[in-house]
Amino acid sequence: QKEVEQNSGPLSVPEGAIASLNCTYSDRGSQSFFWYRQYSGKSPELIMFIYSNGDKEDGRFTAQLNKASQYVSLLIRDSQPSDSATYLCAVGLTGGGNKLTFGTGTQLKVEL
Amino acid sequence: NAGVTQTPKFRILKIGQSMTLQCAQDMNHNYMYWYRQDPGMGLKLIYYSVGAGITDKGEVPNGYNVSRSTTEYFPLRLELAAPSQTSVYFCASSPQGSRQPQHFGDGTRLSIL
Repeated sequence: QKEVEQNSGPLSVPEGAIASLNCTYSDRGSQSFFWYRQYSGKSPELIMFIYSNGDKEDGRFTAQLNKASQYVSLLIRDSQPSDSATYLCAVGLTGGGNKLTFGTGTQLKVEL
Repeated sequence: NAGVTQTPKFRILKIGQSMTLQCAQDMNHNYMYWYRQDPGMGLKLIYYSVGAGITDKGEVPNGYNVSRSTTEYFPLRLELAAPSQTSVYFCASSPQGSRQPQHFGDGTRLSIL
């Protein structure tokens, strides 16, 4: 069973702070990693993807990947109340079909 | 820009009834997926398809059936609804090729009583 682990939270950060969300995965052959944001009652929305070791930045979001340690993280700078949501880590499975394994998500609360 | 469209948005079924959850995408994506999401849980893959006429089981296929006669449509069938199938169902699609992200529909909230 290939697994993706996330701390369920909630993770509470003050407005303007950096939020750090972490994810570990078990399949060493995984090649693609995605972060989805899911507001309560809504569908997952893709916010970042990363394929290579290191950092990838997009606006206030930075994804970090360390394949040797099998973890991927998402940093959100200058956190806003609108960032309050559940963040799902998804890892691409080896084999065909672009299948993903999802973690259970981390709930982020950005407080005023 | 419709993307992935799911119908209905909400449905209540009685135990033993059957129904089809509809999913359509207008992005010409070859790959399509069905997930279920239970409260506080991640998404579990039910079935997926890599093209018209080709489907395969995911992690939790029992109690469900799918078909894919065209690129655009990927319906999910529940034949004998059971309370354990109460969940939110998401359809997703992605372009063909490795490392492509999946794009989700708005979901169908299904309750079986």
